[in-house]
Amino acid sequence: DAKTTQPTSMDCAEGRAANLPCNHSTISGNEYVYWYRQIHSQGPQYIIHGLKNNETNEMASLIITEDRKSSTLILPHATLRDTAVYYCIVRVAGGNNRLAFGKGNQVVVIP
Amino acid sequence: DAGVTQSPTHLIKTRGQQVTLRCSPKSGHDTVSWYQQALGQGPQFIFQYYEEEERQRGNFPDRFSGHQFPNYSSELNVNALLLGDSALYLCASSFYSGTGSGEAFFGQGTRLTVV
Repeated sequence: DAKTTQPTSMDCAEGRAANLPCNHSTISGNEYVYWYRQIHSQGPQYIIHGLKNNETNEMASLIITEDRKSSTLILPHATLRDTAVYYCIVRVAGGNNRLAFGKGNQVVVIP
Repeated sequence: DAGVTQSPTHLIKTRGQQVTLRCSPKSGHDTVSWYQQALGQGPQFIFQYYEEEERQRGNFPDRFSGHQFPNYSSELNVNALLLGDSALYLCASSFYSGTGSGEAFFGQGTRLTVV
């Protein structure tokens, strides 16, 4: 699986959009970008995933650059409950494939 | 629809002892993966079970073993516990099919403390 690079930490203002970057310059053509988050002492929560098109669901939007070497997770209106460690992972699709977590990005939403 | 459930939530064991952790996957899922998360680190893949067989394994010693039952639930066993085995143990379930996106859903974890 390709490796990803994320900021170690970042602060976001409550009520504003939070833009979380991720670099994955060695991503392969059949690898998807997955985002998970982990609120303190809980299990990781699936957020969204995409291959090359932008994706949106009830939680977030995922913007993938045309060359697929980087992506941005957008939380449209950050709330205090969005404070968590966010993990960007690239892997081949399929439930038989492991998730390779890095250290993630500690996002703190500030009132 | 119950999500992934793990038991127990917390556990304290003594060095050298053995421990068994349990996981029930999300309804409709047939694959269970186990992860270990040390404090301040991201989860690390231990192994994955599908059709009652270990399909993949991460870089963990043989002291870590598992089992999957016909109802898809799973157990993680750790023998000869070391202090370094203290961690949050996470279970994730997914659907094995290679045609699906295969997102995994995690339980709340079991916090194991070895003293």
